[in-house]
Amino acid sequence: ETGVTQTPRHLVMGMTNKKSLKCEQHLGHNAMYWYKQSAKKPLELMFVYNFKEQTENNSVPSRFSPECPNSSHLFLHLHTLQPEDSALYLCASSQDRRGFGADTQYFGPGTRLTVL
Amino acid sequence: GESVGLHLPTLSVQEGDNSIINCAYSNSASDYFIWYKQESGKGPQFIIDIRSNMDKRQGQRVTVLLNKTVKHLSLQIAATQPGDSAVYFCAENVLGGSNYKLTFGKGTLLTVNP
Repeated sequence: ETGVTQTPRHLVMGMTNKKSLKCEQHLGHNAMYWYKQSAKKPLELMFVYNFKEQTENNSVPSRFSPECPNSSHLFLHLHTLQPEDSALYLCASSQDRRGFGADTQYFGPGTRLTVL
Repeated sequence: GESVGLHLPTLSVQEGDNSIINCAYSNSASDYFIWYKQESGKGPQFIIDIRSNMDKRQGQRVTVLLNKTVKHLSLQIAATQPGDSAVYFCAENVLGGSNYKLTFGKGTLLTVNP
């Protein structure tokens, strides 16, 4: 186990549904990330939070809305998604974003999302 | 195009053989590199890292080699085992402004045949 947990592990939703993905890290880290992993593509960074503040939004559509209430928890709220949003959504954490090598990221198991 | 890529998308080896997975990067400012392993149904798992001031680093059964001249990174796995079957990603870490950014390659699928 990496110390990063994600729930649910699998999610099937319709295009009009609203759902949320949850991530929790038990590593004492201060930075948390959301990635999208699609088949045959590199990991795509979506959002970065450092000390609860969003520091990066990688041009993600507004139907994805992140929330970081504290350094240990990260949510991804989903609304009116499209079938092409089906993918594995990975959460990661790292010590923080400011020091050399401190960006070594530890990943959760992911949520397999299917949008019908 | 992406700055981190892999020469071979798949690699098949016999159990007990040594495996070498290669990675090319294009950003000469990259100062830190990481190898991740991703097994089916799991998230990427940190394997080993190396800083740009090093050429080689060894872990348990794994060795990472860095050739900055040709911007090439490799992961060597000794005595490959069936449990090593997974997708392996390299990632480069570049300082952009005040934050570091990790860029991943597509991955190489390693299959170990018993």
